[in-house]
Amino acid sequence: MQLVESGGGMVQPGRSLRLSCATSGFTFDDYAFHWVRQAPGKGLEWVSSINWNSDTIGYADSVKGRFTISRDNRKNSLYLQMNSLRAEDTALYYCVKYSSSSVDYSYALDVWGQGTSVTVSS
Amino acid sequence: QSVLTQPPSVSGAPGQRVTISCTGGASNIGAGYDVHWYQQFPGTAPKLLIYDRSSRPSGVPDRFSVSKSGASASLAITGLQTEDEADYYCQSYDSTLSGHVVFGGGTKLAVL
Repeated sequence: MQLVESGGGMVQPGRSLRLSCATSGFTFDDYAFHWVRQAPGKGLEWVSSINWNSDTIGYADSVKGRFTISRDNRKNSLYLQMNSLRAEDTALYYCVKYSSSSVDYSYALDVWGQGTSVTVSS
Repeated sequence: QSVLTQPPSVSGAPGQRVTISCTGGASNIGAGYDVHWYQQFPGTAPKLLIYDRSSRPSGVPDRFSVSKSGASASLAITGLQTEDEADYYCQSYDSTLSGHVVFGGGTKLAVL
C-alpha cells in the first residue's frame, strides 16, 4: 500500500495550492481518507477528512472555508485545494488512509504518505 | 491546545518500563471511543503502533501495550530499547468536533 503526496511548495500569503495524493496497492474507494499536517517542530494536527463516496466531509476550524478536500475514485486519488493561505498553514501535509470507509467512528489512520511540504511566506 | 493531553516528554533507561498517558474527556475517550497510538521518528512519517484497543500491526513487538480507564488511555513500553526513542501520539474520535479526529500533543521518549 502506498500513498504519494505532491503539489507542495512555497507560496505567498493569500495564494493557493492544490495538493494531490496518488494511491496504490489497495481498493481506494473502500476507504475514507484524511489530511493531517505537522508544522515544523510541532505535533500532528488533523486538517480534513472525506468518506468513501464524498458524502461526509469535515474540516478543522482553522481551515474551514479556505480548504476543500475531494477525491476521484476513478483515479485512486485524494486532493486538498488550499486557498487564502496563511503563514500558520506552513507545515508538512500528510495524506492518510483510514481503516474504514466511514468517518463516523474512531478508526485507525493505518497508512501514511511521506508528506508534502507547504511553506507560506512573503 | 490539543484535545487529548499527553506529557511532553518521558524518559527511561534501557530495559525499563515507561508509560505515556493520554487524557481526554467525556466526548472522546470518556465516551468509549477507541484510542490509537502512533510512533514517529525524526524526519519520517508517523506509523501506526497500536489500534482498536490493543491490536498491533505486523512487526510491532509485544513490548508495546495499552490500557484505558475512564477518559484516559496509556501506552506502556516494557524492556525499553534505544530504538524506541521517538515521538508518540495518541488519537481518538470526538463526537462534538467537526471531522471528529483528535490527536494528543505528542510525547518525546528519551532512552537514556
